[in-house]
Amino acid sequence: DIQMTQSPSTLSASVGDRVNITCRASQSISKWLAWYQEKPGKAPKLLIYDASRLQSGVPPRFSGSGSGTDFTLSISTLQPDDFATYFCQQYNSYRTFGQGTKVEIK
Amino acid sequence: EVQLLESGGDLAQPGGSLRLSCVASGFTFRAFAMSWVRQVPGKGLQWVSSLSDSGRITYYADSVKGRFTISRDNSKNTLYLQMNTLRAEDTGLYYCAKDLLTAGSESYMDAWGKGTTVIVSS
Repeated sequence: DIQMTQSPSTLSASVGDRVNITCRASQSISKWLAWYQEKPGKAPKLLIYDASRLQSGVPPRFSGSGSGTDFTLSISTLQPDDFATYFCQQYNSYRTFGQGTKVEIK
Repeated sequence: EVQLLESGGDLAQPGGSLRLSCVASGFTFRAFAMSWVRQVPGKGLQWVSSLSDSGRITYYADSVKGRFTISRDNSKNTLYLQMNTLRAEDTGLYYCAKDLLTAGSESYMDAWGKGTTVIVSS
């Protein structure tokens, strides 16, 4: 099974900050990585797929990069609505998720 | 607007059964594979099962294989998850999700429901 390791597990930031979340795969997954945003009581939301493609309707302050085993989700200018938990997911071989990164208010 | 509404979550005893349902709207349900993903306390998200658009091809995580059965009724725009021989480790929030493609064990999910809670405890 492919293991996905996210870091950090918690990130404290302020509105306006640039935020980077990393996800590392235990073996190469090419570009087959998605990022999701999750908030309590709400449906998870797809942000990025194929490592760097922005899902329709997602603000351009979100971006993804990486290939192979190392990937990054960036939020260029953190907005109040962005405080949430973010998950990566590989779909190179079945589907596995990272353990999540909670972005909290500093 | 794509909407997925899960139901059927409940408190169940170890060894017991539950049936989850997910009613879909806002897209052509019969044209897409569908999946179940669970949020397990302290362990994050886990993919559970996926089903092709026709309902003929199924995929399961090893942890649920032989105990859970995924199915769909395209005439009712509804996805199901029959959960048998439940264990404490099946406790979690179960999400229904829409796949990008018609079939395949490898996909991301471009729409999710809000989930239904399953608690397995005596």
